[in-house]
Amino acid sequence: DTAVSQTPKYLVTQMGNDKSIKCEQNLGHDTMYWYKQDSKKFLKIMFSYNNKELIINETVPNRFSPKSPDKAHLNLHINSLELGDSAVYFCASSHSGTAIQETQYFGPGTRLLVL
Amino acid sequence: TQLLEQSPQFLSIQEGENLTVYCNSSSVFSSLQWYRQEPGEGPVLLVTVVTGGEVKKLKRLTFQFGDARKDSSLHITAAQPGDTGLYLCAGANNAGKSTFGDGTTLTVKP
Repeated sequence: DTAVSQTPKYLVTQMGNDKSIKCEQNLGHDTMYWYKQDSKKFLKIMFSYNNKELIINETVPNRFSPKSPDKAHLNLHINSLELGDSAVYFCASSHSGTAIQETQYFGPGTRLLVL
Repeated sequence: TQLLEQSPQFLSIQEGENLTVYCNSSSVFSSLQWYRQEPGEGPVLLVTVVTGGEVKKLKRLTFQFGDARKDSSLHITAAQPGDTGLYLCAGANNAGKSTFGDGTTLTVKP
């Protein structure tokens, strides 16, 4: 049973295209996150949602739009893809998102390559 | 913005050697976590430390939280090839928001 799943695992696309990445968690968690990991392996938070509400929105271009249809799903839509968007995108979830000792459970990542 | 710097960035050692990885910040954190990420996968939590000066052991891994809760170290005794991976520290503030360090890539050669 996969706790946090993402699709697709690989995504190769042309500059200027619009694409979506989907994430689902079956852990019953209230909070979900999107992270971007660049080529230097730096993991930076982009968004977090708690019970379908946006909680964290870091300095991310508005070409990136997260959508949470329910608390088990958090999708990421990217408009007008740019070369610099190439990275690995990780979805994660945690129980409440507010406890300092909480574990974040990460998905396997989506490797996005923009040509 | 709370920044976490890890050192070294890259470490390549022989099986059986000991090593220490450091995670430093000028900010105080409510808790600090260490994750390991293997190639092609997402990070997996190893440990959470909460109290200043706290030491936790996980088999051959020893984690310490600094007294001032601004830094942490991870010590591995008798490293094995299975320890190879990217080690990430993450500090959480009072609201539970985590900031990740820039990572240490460890390679243990057989």
